Amino acid sequence: QQQVKQSPQSLIVQKGGISIINCAYENTAFDYFPWYQQFPGKGPALLIAIRPDVSEKKEGRFTISFNKSAKQFSLHIMDSQPGDSATYFCAASKGSARQLTFGSGTQLTVLP
Amino acid sequence: DTAVSQTPKYLVTQMGNDKSIKCEQNLGHDTMYWYKQDSKKFLKIMFSYNNKELIINETVPNRFSPKSPDKAHLNLHINSLELGDSAVYFCASSQTGRTYNEQFFGPGTRLTVL
Repeated sequence: QQQVKQSPQSLIVQKGGISIINCAYENTAFDYFPWYQQFPGKGPALLIAIRPDVSEKKEGRFTISFNKSAKQFSLHIMDSQPGDSATYFCAASKGSARQLTFGSGTQLTVLP
Repeated sequence: DTAVSQTPKYLVTQMGNDKSIKCEQNLGHDTMYWYKQDSKKFLKIMFSYNNKELIINETVPNRFSPKSPDKAHLNLHINSLELGDSAVYFCASSQTGRTYNEQFFGPGTRLTVL
């Protein structure tokens, strides 16, 4: 059972464009939604995170939009750069153990 | 300075062998994790330790045994390796009680079973 569904699997964007990655979750007990960025040969690194009591969080060129009623959240990368080319994972967690359930990942390629 | 380190980075071995992967974190965190990333890049948690005690143990074959000698170390021992164990294994750590449970990942260990 995939509790966090992520799309698209891959995304190609021109430099300066907007990259949008979507995730949907099933478990309403989730209360923390981070996005991780992974470069080839490296471990994932936290990019930005949101709690369900806000609908949007922005950090630089990266924005999370959160729709609690639809159980969906998305990552928007404005002015996408070739250096943003990486795999992006959405995730969700709940409870004191804070176990992360990851989406399946999106391979983003930003063309120069 | 490296926050979460793993050794070795690459591990190539034959089926049936026993191997270990070591993880150390110097962040002072109280929780450590092991994740498996398969060939399709899907990340799945395997184990979590809080203050040296096992708190998460997902459906993982009992050939996999984590060991935490202290809060800064979480090792993963794998017995009787199988072809399907080939993957990248990531160690991570976090600190409970923080507003956001940011998990810091190590660089990964690529295990290839021949």
